[in-house]
Amino acid sequence: DAKTTQPPSMDCAEGRAANLPCNHSTISGNEYVYWYRQIHSQGPQYIIHGLKNNETNEMASLIITEDRKSSTLILPHATLRDTAVYYCIVRGTGQNFVFGPGTRLSVLP
Amino acid sequence: DADVTQTPRNRITKTGKRIMLECSQTKGHDRMYWYRQDPGLGLRLIYYSFDVKDINKGEISDGYSVSRQAQAKFSLSLESAIPNQTALYFCATSDSTGGNPKDGELFFGEGSRLTVL
Repeated sequence: DAKTTQPPSMDCAEGRAANLPCNHSTISGNEYVYWYRQIHSQGPQYIIHGLKNNETNEMASLIITEDRKSSTLILPHATLRDTAVYYCIVRGTGQNFVFGPGTRLSVLP
Repeated sequence: DADVTQTPRNRITKTGKRIMLECSQTKGHDRMYWYRQDPGLGLRLIYYSFDVKDINKGEISDGYSVSRQAQAKFSLSLESAIPNQTALYFCATSDSTGGNPKDGELFFGEGSRLTVL
């Protein structure tokens, strides 16, 4: 079973920040938070991951709460091409990735 | 060219037929995976292989078998297809998981859509 809980869907206006929440209240100390996204029916694509510090790359930012029980993926300036299903995954080193249903983000013009 | 290639991309077959989905990769990764996706759901792991001599069942292996013919090739077989195996199938690869959590990042193929009538 997935170790995370995400809202099934969200909308965001084009050009605005998209903030996608994820709850992972049972996360262990050695488990990382990963985010992937799946555009239409393509294969999922890695976005970002983190342990406890906030992370940023060219695609997104990941904000992890101090107690690590939840996190937020931020797409700073959402475009129509960011419309996708976003998966939040908790995984320890050596474990397999478990994909839940994710959040369907719709970026609206 | 794609690093992870799946064939066929689309297949329609009949109940009881044997079907093979093939996956090849040029990333040089040791680990390969087969996932299944049903509409509105996440991906579920069918089988995975950490090297040529290693095969492991995932959460939904019943009705499926796999073969790791080489480091670069991992095929999924449905010995006798049934309608509830209609789904989108993904192959993925990853490097060996070492101490760096970025190791093990999954790289997916473009999917094989299978319809069983």
